[in-house]
Amino acid sequence: KAGVTQTPRYLIKTRGQQVTLSCSPISGHRSVSWYQQTPGQGLQFLFEYFSETQRNKGNFPGRFSGRQFSNSRSEMNVSTLELGDSALYLCASNDGRGYETQYFGPGTRLLVL
Amino acid sequence: KQEVTQIPAALSVPEGENLVLNCSFTDSAIYNLQWFRQDPGKGLTSLLLIQSSQREQTSGRLNASLDKSSGRSTLYIAASQPGDSATYLCAVGEEQGGSEKLVFGKGTKLTVNP
Repeated sequence: KAGVTQTPRYLIKTRGQQVTLSCSPISGHRSVSWYQQTPGQGLQFLFEYFSETQRNKGNFPGRFSGRQFSNSRSEMNVSTLELGDSALYLCASNDGRGYETQYFGPGTRLLVL
Repeated sequence: KQEVTQIPAALSVPEGENLVLNCSFTDSAIYNLQWFRQDPGKGLTSLLLIQSSQREQTSGRLNASLDKSSGRSTLYIAASQPGDSATYLCAVGEEQGGSEKLVFGKGTKLTVNP
């Protein structure tokens, strides 16, 4: 099976812009979670989607949003970008039915100038 | 609020040495604990998953243990190799909103010198 894929791999944006990142889970996986990784804060949970519904949300401002499509692919959107949003954004998938291994994608590296 | 701590933050060892990485967590109400490896600029690779009812898991040269009551886990790497050089992350899975979220430690950066 193909692994978790994320596009694009790299992005450069300027403050105030918005950005959309995409994640395709492993085939058959219905849960997609998003994490932000920064040198200072480490890995922090953003949100989790299962069957097109947000089941779980971390402590991030409303500028961070996401959605999931019927094929389980997920997108996350960040509006009104700030310098502090520069990070590696990782998504992970599993079948969502139990507390099983989460499989991570390679990440999207976002740089906000 | 769950807090996960990994000690040491960095470790440098000669090739062939056996080593132990430590992870501690403050709230024992976890469902599982996962160890991941992250290479520079890359995503996370899952190494071992220990369910809360288990005490340890083994995969090749890796062995992870879990003591939920004391809030500790260790990752043992036998006969280390230069290819083991990476950052090792510990994450506890806990329930929130009816599903699971992972809470990560800051990682231990391991360098294995040839």
